[in-house]
Amino acid sequence: QQQVKQSPQSLIVQKGGISIINCAYENTAFDYFPWYQQFPGKGPALLIAIRPDVSEKKEGRFTISFNKSAKQFSLHIMDSQPGDSATYFCAASMNGGATNKLIFGTGTLLAVQP
Amino acid sequence: DAGVIQSPRHEVTEMGQEVTLRCKLISGHNSLFWYRQTMMRGLELLIYFNNNVPIDDSGMPEDRFSAKMPNASFSTLKIQPSEPRDSAVYFCARRTSGAGELFFGEGSRLTVL
Repeated sequence: QQQVKQSPQSLIVQKGGISIINCAYENTAFDYFPWYQQFPGKGPALLIAIRPDVSEKKEGRFTISFNKSAKQFSLHIMDSQPGDSATYFCAASMNGGATNKLIFGTGTLLAVQP
Repeated sequence: DAGVIQSPRHEVTEMGQEVTLRCKLISGHNSLFWYRQTMMRGLELLIYFNNNVPIDDSGMPEDRFSAKMPNASFSTLKIQPSEPRDSAVYFCARRTSGAGELFFGEGSRLTVL
């Protein structure tokens, strides 16, 4: 129940295309769903996060779509750029993420081809 | 700047040796996390501390792993004895009180031969 399942494991997208990464969870107590971006040799960094009271959150070219009934959420990267090439992790936590542990998915390696 | 300094950045050791990874926090925090990253398993939570107290160590693989946080700005993760399957990148991260965001260090890449 503590797992967050992420797919696909890797993704190749052409420049200007849309990248879509999906995650699913089982624990209905989760109420904080962030996405982290990791470049080679660096630690992950927060990209965007959503709470279950909204179905979508957009920040620039990055959008999280959230489906509470299906217990799924996804990251959409519009107009993908080569600089977006990185590993992306979804995650989930309880209590708004403020006090509990953050459980990560297994990651998606995104390559955006020029 | 995440305010998290990890050392060493790279460590190569032989099976059976003791390994100590260090994490120094420059900025304020409330919680500290140790994660391990491998290709097969992604980011696994090993242990986390709130206010320097270990809260959940259920992710620590076995008794060979131990972690301490003697003060608010420093933590160690020790592996004794080390095994080849411990080879991974180990990350330390901090979280400030009342916020959900984790700030990660750049990691310590451990190779056990």
